[in-house]
Amino acid sequence: DVKVTQSSRYLVKRTGEKVFLECVQDMDHENMFWYRQDPGLGLRLIYFSYDVKMKEKGDIPEGYSVSREKKERFSLILESASTNQTSMYLCASSYVGDPNQPQHFGDGTRLSIL
Amino acid sequence: RKEVEQDPGPFNVPEGATVAFNCTYSNSASQSFFWYRQDCRKEPKLLMSVYSSGNEDGRFTAQLNRASQYISLLIRDSKLSDSATYLCAVNKSPGGQGGKLIFGQGTELSVKP
Repeated sequence: DVKVTQSSRYLVKRTGEKVFLECVQDMDHENMFWYRQDPGLGLRLIYFSYDVKMKEKGDIPEGYSVSREKKERFSLILESASTNQTSMYLCASSYVGDPNQPQHFGDGTRLSIL
Repeated sequence: RKEVEQDPGPFNVPEGATVAFNCTYSNSASQSFFWYRQDCRKEPKLLMSVYSSGNEDGRFTAQLNRASQYISLLIRDSKLSDSATYLCAVNKSPGGQGGKLIFGQGTELSVKP
């Protein structure tokens, strides 16, 4: 079974802090993704990466950056947290070789910015 | 028009009922289609992929209609445990780089005793 592990289930931070969300997958997947999910807005793609050190902006990259130094790890960084970044953050991974391969999600991190 | 659209529901059905969800997509070049299930406050989990010829997994049947650009999910003999939100997902870049998926907003299903 694919295992995608996010570092925290719940996180509370303060406005202006730099926040790191970590995601690790154990299936040697090339693709990794960060989403946020908000009521009424569904899943929105923040950033994705299809290889080590490669990254591309998703639909809502503003206020975020990412890091992919190793294949198994994809980090999401909130440079200066703001209250409108309070959300559920989901990491996912998938295999690049077959477009019919689905994405597999981590448990999610519920982030509250006070 | 949204790239992927679903009726948000909620669908309230009695146990044993048959329920069907549709999901429309705008990109006619899309090639990969999926249904995910998401329980409250949990992550989405893959329910099933959707193949061109349609496919079935127990009580669940998925179909693809390319001409009308929609996929469907049929649940027969609904169980209380089927209560969840069902998300459809369509690939954004056919064959492509990154395997990006576009998700619908989800359809909420509530199965009542």
